[in-house]
Amino acid sequence: QKEVEQNSGPLSVPEGAIASLNCTYSDRGSQSFFWYRQYSGKSPELIMSIYSNGDKEDGRFTAQLNKASQYVSLLIRDSQPSDSATYLCAVMWSGNTPLVFGKGTRLSVIA
Amino acid sequence: DAGITQSPRHKVTETGTPVTLRCHQTENHRYMYWYRQDPGHGLRLIHYSYGVKDTDKGEVSDGYSVSRSKTEDFLLTLESATSSQTSVYFCAISAGPNTGELFFGEGSRLTVL
Repeated sequence: QKEVEQNSGPLSVPEGAIASLNCTYSDRGSQSFFWYRQYSGKSPELIMSIYSNGDKEDGRFTAQLNKASQYVSLLIRDSQPSDSATYLCAVMWSGNTPLVFGKGTRLSVIA
Repeated sequence: DAGITQSPRHKVTETGTPVTLRCHQTENHRYMYWYRQDPGHGLRLIHYSYGVKDTDKGEVSDGYSVSRSKTEDFLLTLESATSSQTSVYFCAISAGPNTGELFFGEGSRLTVL
């Protein structure tokens, strides 16, 4: 069974610090990786996607992928209280399969 | 924002009653999904559709059925609701099979007493 694992948290970081969120997955054949953000009581929204090994940067967000280690991470630089949310890691194993989500990591940025 | 709406947004029902949740999109996207979200379990796929009348089961499909007679509408039915189906249900759409870029509806909170 394909699984996506995340630490549930809460992960607490001070304002201005770097938040590091981690995700591991069970199958080396995985193709595509996504990070969604979900504020309390709201629906998930896509913030990053990454398809190849290495880093991908978008503003304050950096996604990192290491397929050999089956590991994907999300770094949030200069964390703000508005970044406080649950971050969901999602994996697509092939082009014809729906996303599988991890259980999410709750991030709390303390002002 | 992607045009996707769910109805009803909130529903309280009793065990054994049928319930239908509706997802409506205005984006003409081919793929539509129903997920449920529960504390400690995250988002789990119930059913999905890859075209009109084309559907497939997800991880937690038992007790649920779906129908898609038009591109824009994807219905989720609980034939006989149970308390274990109390959850928040999210509909999502995507442009195609090779993208995990989902757009989610606002969710439907269902309580089964």
